[in-house]
Amino acid sequence: EIVMTQSPATLSVSPGESATLSCRASQSLSGNLAWYQQKPGQAPRLLIYDASTRATGIPARFSGSGSETKFTLTISSLQSEDFAIYYCQQYNNWPPWTFGRGTKVEIK
Amino acid sequence: EVQLVESGGDLVQPGGSLRLSCAASGFTFSNYWMHWVRQAPGKGLVWVSRIDDDGSTTTYADSVKGRFTISRDNAKNTLYLQMNSLRAEDTAVYFCARFPTKEYYFDYWGQGTLVTVSS
Repeated sequence: EIVMTQSPATLSVSPGESATLSCRASQSLSGNLAWYQQKPGQAPRLLIYDASTRATGIPARFSGSGSETKFTLTISSLQSEDFAIYYCQQYNNWPPWTFGRGTKVEIK
Repeated sequence: EVQLVESGGDLVQPGGSLRLSCAASGFTFSNYWMHWVRQAPGKGLVWVSRIDDDGSTTTYADSVKGRFTISRDNAKNTLYLQMNSLRAEDTAVYFCARFPTKEYYFDYWGQGTLVTVSS
């Protein structure tokens, strides 16, 4: 099973600043990685797939990068609606499909 | 518009059973792999089970293998999860979710249904 490690667990950012979230895999994923956003009481929402492709309707301030075992989600110029928990998920080796434990982006 | 609506969550005693449903609309349900993903209170997302488009292949996480059964009724556009021998650690919000065709990430999710296992 591929283990996904996200860091930091919590990121405190001021509105308008950028945030950089990290996700590492225990094995190479090639580019088979997705990012999701989840707000309290809501379902996860797909942001990025194939490591760097924005899903339909996702603003350009969200960008993904990385390959092999190291991946990054960057949110530029954070808006109030961006404060949430972000999860990465691998789909290179399955089953199981595995998620990281999440990074909470909170208002500084 | 794609919609996934879960139902069936409840409070159940340890050792009990429950069946969850997920009603799908806005897309051709029979063309898609479907999944159940759960989230324990205050915790992260954990994949539980998947079923392929025609129901011929199912897969389970080790933690639920032998206790949970995923199924689907393509005529009713509905996904199910039969949960038996429930344990306290099965307490979670259960989401149904879809893979896009020939892709392996989750593009649409339901709002979830809460299962609480407690005496």
